[in-house]
Amino acid sequence: SYELTASPSVSVSPGQTATITCSGDKLGGKYVAWYQQKPGQSPVLVIYEDDKRFSGIPERFSAANSGNTATLTISGTQSVDEADYYCQAWDSSMIGVFGGGTRLTVL
Amino acid sequence: EVQLVQSGAEVKKPGESLNISCKASGYTFSDYWIAWVRQMPGKGLERMGIIYPGDLGTRYNPSFQGQVTISADTSTSVAYLQWTSLATSDTATYFCARHQGTGALDFWGQGTPVSVSS
Repeated sequence: SYELTASPSVSVSPGQTATITCSGDKLGGKYVAWYQQKPGQSPVLVIYEDDKRFSGIPERFSAANSGNTATLTISGTQSVDEADYYCQAWDSSMIGVFGGGTRLTVL
Repeated sequence: EVQLVQSGAEVKKPGESLNISCKASGYTFSDYWIAWVRQMPGKGLERMGIIYPGDLGTRYNPSFQGQVTISADTSTSVAYLQWTSLATSDTATYFCARHQGTGALDFWGQGTPVSVSS
């Protein structure tokens, strides 16, 4: 079965850039989505189709997907961005798989 | 406005059956897949399976195949997740979500916590 690997945690100071990565075999050939989940809440779609921001998502969120690695970048990170972030890969042969999640801490 | 509203929290015993629901509104129910996602306590997200209400076709994560049944009623715009015999390991929060054509889950229900304990 297909597996995605994500770093367990990332720490960043307010105003700095946070980079969250997700890796998988030939990930660049699949569609990647990113979700934000805060404690006790449902996940929220942040990025879909590799690099498209979902409705209402601030411009400081951007993403890319190439080769075996997808990257979510948060520029000018704010305290409100502190959350768990999940990558997800999908292609028509699968029902989709999530990475293990990355906890973003804004110090 | 797209909304997915799930049924309430459940407390069950091992071996009992359970059916939780997800009512969709604000869009044409039969036009989008619905996904079910499990989140065990303190753990990450797992995709369980998807259903296309347009033809009731389903696809399951092999880890959940045979353990649960996903169904839908297009007359009421409700999707269901069913167990015939719960185990303590089924304790989790279950989310439904609308599934875009390229796999992203764009709108989510509020989650249904399920607790299974003797």
